[in-house]
Amino acid sequence: NAGVTQTPKFQVLKTGQSMTLQCAQDMNHEYMSWYRQDPGMGLRLIHYSVGAGITDQGEVPNGYNVSRSTTEDFPLRLLSAAPSQTSVYFCASSPSRGRGQDTQYFGPGTRLTVL
Amino acid sequence: AQKVTQAQTEISVVEKEDVTLDCVYETRDTTYYLFWYKQPPSGELVFLIRRNSFDEQNEISGRYSWNFQKSTSSFNFTITASQVVDSAVYFCALKSSGANSKLTFGKGITLSVRP
Repeated sequence: NAGVTQTPKFQVLKTGQSMTLQCAQDMNHEYMSWYRQDPGMGLRLIHYSVGAGITDQGEVPNGYNVSRSTTEDFPLRLLSAAPSQTSVYFCASSPSRGRGQDTQYFGPGTRLTVL
Repeated sequence: AQKVTQAQTEISVVEKEDVTLDCVYETRDTTYYLFWYKQPPSGELVFLIRRNSFDEQNEISGRYSWNFQKSTSSFNFTITASQVVDSAVYFCALKSSGANSKLTFGKGITLSVRP
């Protein structure tokens, strides 16, 4: 299993540009989520999904969109990038049932800089 | 509302010292999970342990041990005979049971182990 994969690893955008951060998992996990990590702030939840076709907002959803058309993929879209979105973005997934229930496994992260 | 407090922000020890990382949590739920994650300098988030609220047994895994005390709402992490490779940021996290409940992180503790 590749686990949780994220692309790209690094990205530089100009203010106002849009882009999609990709996230995929091959563990058949129902739950997927996106976090951003900023210095001194820990990890904050942006959006999450409990299954294909279902998404919901987390703590800091403004400026981001998500969709979940398949169990495997959970892309995060930045609609119009702003310098305040400079951060490290982590995608995570977890099973909703069974022994590892609710244990989130994280991707390697995407470091985004908005100029 | 859930909250995780990691009051220590930075700890520095010399190799082979024992070190304890503190975690205090708040939740109104009776069923919840506690986690510790490690983030080494390479940046990925590594799952270390998951503890169910009904299981107050302490756990030991090699040099790592965890002390869960419901009475004080604490879930502390001890590294015995620390090594330079233990240098990382350590996050404590809390999640209630249920598909829509969110994983709440503390702000992390930066551990530096000097040779």
